Parts: sequence; C-alpha cells; structure tokens
Amino acid sequence: SAVISQKPSRDICQRGTSLTIQCQVDSQVTMMFWYRQQPGQSLTLIATANQGSEATYESGFVIDKFPISRPNLTFSTLTVSNMSPEDSSIYLCSGGDRGLEQYFGPGTRLTVT
Amino acid sequence: RKEVEQDPGPFNVPEGATVAFNCTYSNSASQSFFWYRQDCRKEPKLLMSVYSSGNEDGRFTAQLNRASQYISLLIRDSKLSDSATYLCVVNHGYGQNFVFGPGTRLSVLP
Repeated sequence: SAVISQKPSRDICQRGTSLTIQCQVDSQVTMMFWYRQQPGQSLTLIATANQGSEATYESGFVIDKFPISRPNLTFSTLTVSNMSPEDSSIYLCSGGDRGLEQYFGPGTRLTVT
Repeated sequence: RKEVEQDPGPFNVPEGATVAFNCTYSNSASQSFFWYRQDCRKEPKLLMSVYSSGNEDGRFTAQLNRASQYISLLIRDSKLSDSATYLCVVNHGYGQNFVFGPGTRLSVLP
C-alpha cells in the first residue's frame, strides 16, 4: 500500500485568492488523481495528474481554474484559483498503479469566505 | 443512468446482524472492482478488492457477477465500528480513472 500525505489539512481563504494543495506519496505510483467531495456526497473526480505532461480534466473542470502539476511519480499539486464560496469543499488526492487499488490522502478542508 | 449505483440507504442494523450492500455498474468493459469505507470526516480507505471468484476477508465477503454487472458486499456479525459509508468503486481498465458510487451509509446500533 501507499501512504499519502497532503498539506495543508485545512484552510480558510478569501474569495479571489488562490490556494495550492500539495500531495506526497511515500512510493512511486503510476497514477495520481484529484477529487472533490462536498459534505454528505460522494467523490467527484477533478482530474488525473499525469507525470511530465498536462493533467486530464473531467467534464466541468478546467485547467485555468484548477491547474495541476506532477513533476515526478511521488508528488503533485492542485491549485484552486480565483476562489469563490462555491469552491468550499474537501479536496482529496489519491495514488495507485494502473488498474489497482487507490490510496487516499487525508484531504484538505477548504473554506472560502 | 449513473455509471455506478448503490443501495440508497441508510441501513440501521443491530449489533451482530448480517447486512448486504448491492452495487450495479453500467460499463460492461469495467475491469477492476473495489469496496471502500469512509468514516465521517475521513478519507476513503480500501476495504477489499473484488475478484471474479468472490473473496472473503474475515466477516466481509465480496462477490462479483459480471453477467449482471453487479457487485455485493456482505458483512456478518456487525460491530459498532462497522458504522461508516461504504463506497463501491469501478475501474474501466488500464490507465483509466476510477468511478465512485454514491455510497451506502451503515449505522450499527447497540
């Protein structure tokens, strides 16, 4: 299994600002993903973080709003840009190998005021 | 129709009860299947992978029926600590992303 850490664990931000969330895996993984989870709801995939190339975004999510980096096989960042209160959510990263189970970070709880 | 659907729940059961969750998926090309549990305000954690032949891990049994595109999770002798949301997860194949079901909430009551 992989152990995944995220930081920050939580933040309160003002609208119009940006926040970058970091995700670190303790071993190399082929796949890393970013999700959003609203209270009481299931996970929504934002994008697949591709090592060395642009992330693959799901419908409804765009690079300008959620730029993602993945410089190597153990690290990725997600930036939530020009935040509004609708961006308040829990953001989770996960990692794993192709077709196999994913492991999740503890999440970043974001509140936008 | 959603790609992955689950029993809507919630399930409220007494300690010691047996409870079963059902999950259906729409993409016949799906290749990997998992059950995760998520505790309140925590991240999802892998409970078990689901194999074609069915698999068992202690009190938990998972079964897959590819013909019916259906997955199940059976929990025997429920414990208070089993209270959580159970997520059915489907992967469409090599390099593809995972699709999460909406989850089924279980409360085991003393």
